[in-house]
Amino acid sequence: GAGVSQSPSNKVTEKGKDVELRCDPISGHTALYWYRQSLGQGLEFLIYFQGNSAPDKSGLPSDRFSAERTGGSVSTLTIQRTQQEDSAVYLCASSLVAGGAPSSNEQFFGPGTRLTVL
Amino acid sequence: SQQGEEDPQALSIQEGENATMNCSYKTSINNLQWYRQNSGRGLVHLILIRSNEREKHSGRLRVTLDTSKKSSSLLITASRAADTASYFCATALPGGSNYKLTFGKGTLLTVNP
Repeated sequence: GAGVSQSPSNKVTEKGKDVELRCDPISGHTALYWYRQSLGQGLEFLIYFQGNSAPDKSGLPSDRFSAERTGGSVSTLTIQRTQQEDSAVYLCASSLVAGGAPSSNEQFFGPGTRLTVL
Repeated sequence: SQQGEEDPQALSIQEGENATMNCSYKTSINNLQWYRQNSGRGLVHLILIRSNEREKHSGRLRVTLDTSKKSSSLLITASRAADTASYFCATALPGGSNYKLTFGKGTLLTVNP
């Protein structure tokens, strides 16, 4: 797989249920990002992982949202007790970061997971 | 509030014409990037321009940056129907947080055959 992959591509859930969204970054990319895009809007930054450093969680909208990245590769975004306002496309991106410091390298995006909360 | 704001919100042109989209932002930046999004799914990186650069070209794309006016423009020349997409500008702040991109709401470009 050459690109970023995400699963599932679509998820329909009932209000109050928990959901897990998965992201497989490009092999060798040390930086991983999660964004949320509501209908007709730009992307909203959620969380950033870089190597073994503590993640930047400053964009998570509430404590119902959490994410982890196991082994520096695959990442899972979990939304607990989903609400209708959580309905959106959740996009994952990865980038190659050199020198152990954040850079402004190009971000490669996955196709996204469209979450619908009924 | 959004750091980047694209203008216009929507643009419709005929194939072969040029398309110009603008982006304004509020604070100092490390760099500004343009992305394309088809059908509301994944984004594709088009071009990055650093704060000390004024103009960059890539194929049919030309990007300018005016840091004094805090604005950028994306020009697509000789447009094709396949250029139909939403175009977003994204800004990266200076310093240690330059990985964090702030996106505008996008310009929806329609190129009519």
